[in-house]
Amino acid sequence: ETGVTQSPTHLIKTRGQQVTLRCSSQSGHNTVSWYQQALGQGPQFIFQYYREEENGRGNFPPRFSGLQFPNYSSELNVNALELDDSALYLCASSYLAGPSTDTQYFGPGTRLTVL
Amino acid sequence: AQTVTQSQPEMSVQEAETVTLSCTYDTSESNYYLFWYKQPPSRQMILVIRQEAYKQQNATENRFSVNFQKAAKSFSLKISDSQLGDTAMYFCAFMKLNNDMRFGAGTRLTVKP
Repeated sequence: ETGVTQSPTHLIKTRGQQVTLRCSSQSGHNTVSWYQQALGQGPQFIFQYYREEENGRGNFPPRFSGLQFPNYSSELNVNALELDDSALYLCASSYLAGPSTDTQYFGPGTRLTVL
Repeated sequence: AQTVTQSQPEMSVQEAETVTLSCTYDTSESNYYLFWYKQPPSRQMILVIRQEAYKQQNATENRFSVNFQKAAKSFSLKISDSQLGDTAMYFCAFMKLNNDMRFGAGTRLTVKP
């Protein structure tokens, strides 16, 4: 198992609500990436945080936002939930140093259901 | 934009046999990383193997090896001596330096006893 943890495991929300998902990075890692995995599909990149700053973003609207804290834990916030936001949300931590990058290690995911 | 294609939605193999999963990708970058991840029903995405594009030698991890053909933009995974625990979704992924990772749609592998 990796040292990446996520909470909660499952979550049910209704359309229009807001949700916060949490991730704790593996020790020694300074970068966290978030992915959305719809049922039967591969993960889609949402964004990446490096040293508390957004370091890249995929094709997701601004209602998807994030935070990275000094201890490298992270949050994914989604506002105005839509039915299509129902998915498995994965976070992955890695160590970024200059021009090179390291392997991303994934947490177990949070299953979000929007009704 | 980088795209990753896995053309085999499902595959099956008998226990102890060898199976190869295919992956192709499209990029204009010269330096990048390629990965195979395994996702069992428990959902945890587990790294299987990693390949740096600048390395000509194919990566190997125990029973898992890759055939990396940079010019053809092909990155296949070979699993030798398949075990029941290898049953999972397998995702091929491409990553530029300091950038996001792009995944294929996955191949569902079933190992039969």
